[in-house]
Amino acid sequence: EPEVTQTPSHQVTQMGQEVILRCVPISNHLYFYWYRQILGQKVEFLVSFYNNEISEKSEIFDDQFSVERPDGSNFTLKIRSTKLEDSAMYFCASSDRDPTNYGYTFGSGTRLTVV
Amino acid sequence: AQKITQTQPGMFVQEKEAVTLDCTYDTSDPSYGLFWYKQPSSGEMIFLIYQGSYDQQNATEGRYSLNFQKARKSANLVISASQLGDSAMYFCAMRAMDTGRRALTFGSGTRLQVQP
Repeated sequence: EPEVTQTPSHQVTQMGQEVILRCVPISNHLYFYWYRQILGQKVEFLVSFYNNEISEKSEIFDDQFSVERPDGSNFTLKIRSTKLEDSAMYFCASSDRDPTNYGYTFGSGTRLTVV
Repeated sequence: AQKITQTQPGMFVQEKEAVTLDCTYDTSDPSYGLFWYKQPSSGEMIFLIYQGSYDQQNATEGRYSLNFQKARKSANLVISASQLGDSAMYFCAMRAMDTGRRALTFGSGTRLQVQP
């Protein structure tokens, strides 16, 4: 079964450093999303991306965040200058249509730890 | 704004029994979708079931069914014949379906433990 692949599974970074979280969505999917889950808290929407541009973003997705689809397969989330409160599990998701009643396919997540 | 409330932080169920996980929601969108996701200890989010706000019948997917009561704004997940592998965190989520807004709004989750 096709899956969304995220790398790395766990990343530790120093406060103030830049990190890039990588995702390979399902190949025929056109809509891409990033969500995050701070430990023990609910999953929160960050951004959606379609046709090479951001289609929606949340208040969390401020100027320190950016997304990119640098080629036909990868979808990345960059955090420019990490803060302690950016420590969370980051999920990439994709779907082949929008809206969808099949749910989004989520990746297994990248656990980001900022020290 | 959308809001999802899951009032059960944790639930226990005996293997082979049925269990209901509660979810209530609030939205001003006339058309919306309700989703349930399972998050095992390994961390991934697994889509289980979907219910559209205009669907006349309750959704079912194998052992999962969604008890949708629109007037009460509830979308409870029923798992029949619980298995040990059902032990996980379960999240209810919703989104608007006829606007450009794509964000899923999640509840705080219910941790289900299936006991042998």
